[in-house]
Amino acid sequence: DTGVSQDPRHKITKRGQNVTFRCDPISEHNRLYWYRQTLGQGPEFLTYFQNEAQLEKSRLLSDRFSAERPKGSFSTLEIQRTEQGDSAMYLCASGRQGLLGGYTFGSGTRLTVV
Amino acid sequence: QKEVEQNSGPLSVPEGAIASLNCTYSDRGSQSFFWYRQYSGKSPELIMFIYSNGDKEDGRFTAQLNKASQYVSLLIRDSQPSDSATYLCAVTSGSSTLGRLYFGRGTQLTVWP
Repeated sequence: DTGVSQDPRHKITKRGQNVTFRCDPISEHNRLYWYRQTLGQGPEFLTYFQNEAQLEKSRLLSDRFSAERPKGSFSTLEIQRTEQGDSAMYLCASGRQGLLGGYTFGSGTRLTVV
Repeated sequence: QKEVEQNSGPLSVPEGAIASLNCTYSDRGSQSFFWYRQYSGKSPELIMFIYSNGDKEDGRFTAQLNKASQYVSLLIRDSQPSDSATYLCAVTSGSSTLGRLYFGRGTQLTVWP
């Protein structure tokens, strides 16, 4: 169990650019989640996958955001045409269906849009 | 809109005291409840979960759940300076234990020596 891995840890980008983040979940976990957290707020749900299927997507997720988990292992989150309001910590978490006890977060990717 | 409310902080207690963190939630269908600890600049770390009414103890931590009152709390006994962090309450929607979580804004705890 190597934990949930996220890459990069930090990303600074100019407004209007596209960015992509990667998440590698704990290997035996079939569920993968993306959350976003801004300063002083709790994590806000974006989307989650069970294996390669995207089961739920927040209405807060605009069409500039897209997530994939093509082979049911790692996942990517892409933000197109970034805006300053996208600046946040993007957190990935994984869990196993039927596993009691919540899920495990990665270290996060901190995005700054300038 | 499912809401999770936590007692406003910051909360400051002396070393060795009991810290009490409270959380209320709006969705009566919520079945699973979690407490995460988050150090500044770090990601949330799960410290407790509870599903049944009553108390659940794990070391210095006790989670308490009252579904009728839609209330969950976390007690930290013998508080240590290393417990200084933001504590996030999270609840599920419906009966799934591994679906999306709804988080509160967190309560910042400071334990002073």
